[in-house]
Amino acid sequence: SQQGEEDPQALSIQEGENATMNCSYKTSINNLQWYRQNSGRGLVHLILIRSNEREKHSGRLRVTLDTSKKSSSLLITASRAADTASYFCATDLINYGQNFVFGPGTRLSVLP
Amino acid sequence: EAGVTQSPTHLIKTRGQQVTLRCSPISGHTSVYWYQQALGLGLQFLLWYDEGEERNRGNFPPRFSGRQFPNYSSELNVNALELEDSALYLCASSSIRSYNEQFFGPGTRLTVL
Repeated sequence: SQQGEEDPQALSIQEGENATMNCSYKTSINNLQWYRQNSGRGLVHLILIRSNEREKHSGRLRVTLDTSKKSSSLLITASRAADTASYFCATDLINYGQNFVFGPGTRLSVLP
Repeated sequence: EAGVTQSPTHLIKTRGQQVTLRCSPISGHTSVYWYQQALGLGLQFLLWYDEGEERNRGNFPPRFSGRQFPNYSSELNVNALELEDSALYLCASSSIRSYNEQFFGPGTRLTVL
């Protein structure tokens, strides 16, 4: 199975609500990153959290990392229709440097 | 600053043919990564080049190959195309300064008929 796996696979919410996506991984990492992909286009980097960090904020995004549980969560507050996209977590494995492993993604739909 | 560029944007080939995809990284980035994303699926790591050398490759057959040029641009070659090679091929670049954050290009959509 994959190093990183997002949960849920799909999420549908109303505009203004918060969206939470989770990512689990199996082996020790240097850092974990979240990306967004709109409609089969290239990925956009959202946020990077290092293995010695527990929480990070960027605008309406909040990312947490629990290395003891090997999991991370991405919270999008006050969601907008423009947040509709697929969200991926990517982990880089210790001793593999810049080789990232992406999960299958969470498809978020924000309904107006 | 220009982002990662890829060419072509779309490509249609038939089974058995060969294809070359191209990627130009962000200026100053020495690492280039290739990923395959089949429709509706996540990204599968293909290849990683850094400073002209292949550093790692994913679980793909040898007919997937590539190279990185002295200017750090890269090519991905796929020989003997199969139907299941139809996918979005994404290129990303990174540098040590950006702490390994990967910047993605828009991708090349390959359709194999």
